[in-house]
Amino acid sequence: ETGVTQSPTHLIKTRGQQVTLRCSSQSGHNTVSWYQQALGQGPQFIFQYYREEENGRGNFPPRFSGLQFPNYSSELNVNALELDDSALYLCASSTRRGEGETQYFGPGTRLLVL
Amino acid sequence: AQKITQTQPGMFVQEKEAVTLDCTYDTSDPSYGLFWYKQPSSGEMIFLIYQGSYDQQNATEGRYSLNFQKARKSANLVISASQLGDSAMYFCAMSLTDSWGKFQFGAGTQVVVTP
Repeated sequence: ETGVTQSPTHLIKTRGQQVTLRCSSQSGHNTVSWYQQALGQGPQFIFQYYREEENGRGNFPPRFSGLQFPNYSSELNVNALELDDSALYLCASSTRRGEGETQYFGPGTRLLVL
Repeated sequence: AQKITQTQPGMFVQEKEAVTLDCTYDTSDPSYGLFWYKQPSSGEMIFLIYQGSYDQQNATEGRYSLNFQKARKSANLVISASQLGDSAMYFCAMSLTDSWGKFQFGAGTQVVVTP
């Protein structure tokens, strides 16, 4: 196991609702990245947080937002849920040493939007 | 923009045999890293192996090796002596050095190991 934890493991919401997903990074890691993985596809980069600041964003609308806390844990918030937001949401933690640094993933949160 | 292509949606391999999973990538950036992850049905992405764009030798990690051909922009994963527990989805991913950690993933290859 990587030491990266996510909660909840599963979630069911209805269209238009809001959801918050949580991630605790591995000890010693100060960077958290979030990914969305639709069924049958590879993960898509949503955004990355480093020292409580957003540090890069993928092609996702503003209703996807996040936070990072002083202990480096992180939240992903999605407003106005759409059916296409149904996916596995993965967070990954790492340090900022740069090249060669591996990201370690949590078990994911499976979100179903009805 | 960079792109990762995995052309094999799925494959069967017999236990104890070797299997090669294909990955090609496209980037104009000279500095990048290539990764392979395994994703069992539980969903967690498990890191397998890493290759830097300037590494002279192919990476190896136990039964995993990476056949890196920079000129062809390919980074194929070789799993030797397959085991039943190797059955999973396998993803190739790339990160550019100047935006490290923002991975671009391929579509994945489903591997089923049969007795």
